Amino acid sequence: EAGVAQSPRYKIIEKRQSVAFWCNPISGHATLYWYQQILGQGPKLLIQFQNNGVVDDSQLPKDRFSAERLKGVDSTLKIQPAKLEDSAVYLCASSTGTGGLEQYFGPGTRLTVT
Amino acid sequence: GQNIDQPTEMTATEGAIVQINCTYQTSGFNGLFWYQQHAGEAPTFLSYNVLDGLEEKGRFSSFLSRSKGYSYLLLKELQMKDSASYLCAVGLSYNTDKLIFGTGTRLQVFP
Repeated sequence: EAGVAQSPRYKIIEKRQSVAFWCNPISGHATLYWYQQILGQGPKLLIQFQNNGVVDDSQLPKDRFSAERLKGVDSTLKIQPAKLEDSAVYLCASSTGTGGLEQYFGPGTRLTVT
Repeated sequence: GQNIDQPTEMTATEGAIVQINCTYQTSGFNGLFWYQQHAGEAPTFLSYNVLDGLEEKGRFSSFLSRSKGYSYLLLKELQMKDSASYLCAVGLSYNTDKLIFGTGTRLQVFP
């Protein structure tokens, strides 16, 4: 079974530029998550999708971050404009969505904003 | 509010036993997860406790006390490859698929 795919793996941009990350979850997984993990910290949930609907985006900085899940499968996370404090690893995870079960994480995208 | 506490760093010797503690205060509870994260890699699932007691899985065991808001991960017969960060995460009952992660405990195993 293929795992969660993410691209790109690394990205370096200057502040005020825009960037987009892509995620393809495990086939059949209804729930998709985007996390931000700053160095030395645990992952922080940015947005959670159930199929193509948003379940929780309470910690998403909506003035600069946006996300969508096309047709309930792939997802993209965008930052525009980027700030220095956005430097982090952006992790995508998926789960079957039936609760109480593990989340499967992708390899992440390491973003550096200079 | 949500609060999950675990030690920042721990060290241990190869072959030894180490216990990583986690305390939590959350609005809702639907299980306690432990994840392992090697440097530069994605977190991988280790264990899940929803009822009080000890769950054993090979060299790793996880314990939960819901009344005390407390869990621990026990690693036996430590190996060098166990050097990693260990993340404690709480599943929230109002949204059973949402996890709140602690900051992680970085474990270094020395020969």
